[in-house]
Amino acid sequence: QSALTQPASVSGSPGQSITISCTGSSSDVGSYNLLSWYQHHPGKAPKLMIYEGSKRPSGVSNRFSGSKSGNTASLTISGLQAEDEADYYCCSYAGSSTFIFGGGTKLTVL
Amino acid sequence: EVQLVESGGGLVQPGGSLRLSCAASGLTFSTYWIHWVRQTPGKGLVWVSRINNDESSRSYADSVKGRFTITRDNAKNTVYLQLNSLRAEDTGVYYCARAGYSSAWSYFEYWGQGTLVTVSS
Repeated sequence: QSALTQPASVSGSPGQSITISCTGSSSDVGSYNLLSWYQHHPGKAPKLMIYEGSKRPSGVSNRFSGSKSGNTASLTISGLQAEDEADYYCCSYAGSSTFIFGGGTKLTVL
Repeated sequence: EVQLVESGGGLVQPGGSLRLSCAASGLTFSTYWIHWVRQTPGKGLVWVSRINNDESSRSYADSVKGRFTITRDNAKNTVYLQLNSLRAEDTGVYYCARAGYSSAWSYFEYWGQGTLVTVSS
């Protein structure tokens, strides 16, 4: 099964908003509202940012939001800050107790 | 505070074996499902395996099925991943993650720092 499709990189200036897309298929993203997003600073443990498409864990800034339409999910970060610079991954339940990640998106804050 | 600490990584020849451990603290360990996720060099995160709270259910990515085995010891608050018949493409950092539950056990709520596995001759 191929990875979910994410843009390799996105960039934005401090204060701006950016959106990262995550495209799957009717077998994963389109079938389940079980899509999560992770922030990963190299050398550190990944951090959960969004779960079940649009829910934010306690402690995650409300600048992070998630949505889904059909087979594509999106992560939006508003009011970009320097510390948001990291790799971001989406992950979907794919049925039969398996999961599939996206290829990852490198966010650069200019 | 939830802590997950992986160990057992190292350098191994193709065809060899390793056993990774994930020791947990700060949680009622026997309640939670646990996953293994790996990051290969220059690539992204890939889901590997998961085990439910009482070991009655396990699942694997197709790429490791038949070669890797996930187990747990709730008395020791530890999950294991036995890696057999290792290949070069298994090289990477292996993370364990505690599953989170809302409507389903569908996300990875806490992660360890990872342990590096290198498969090379």
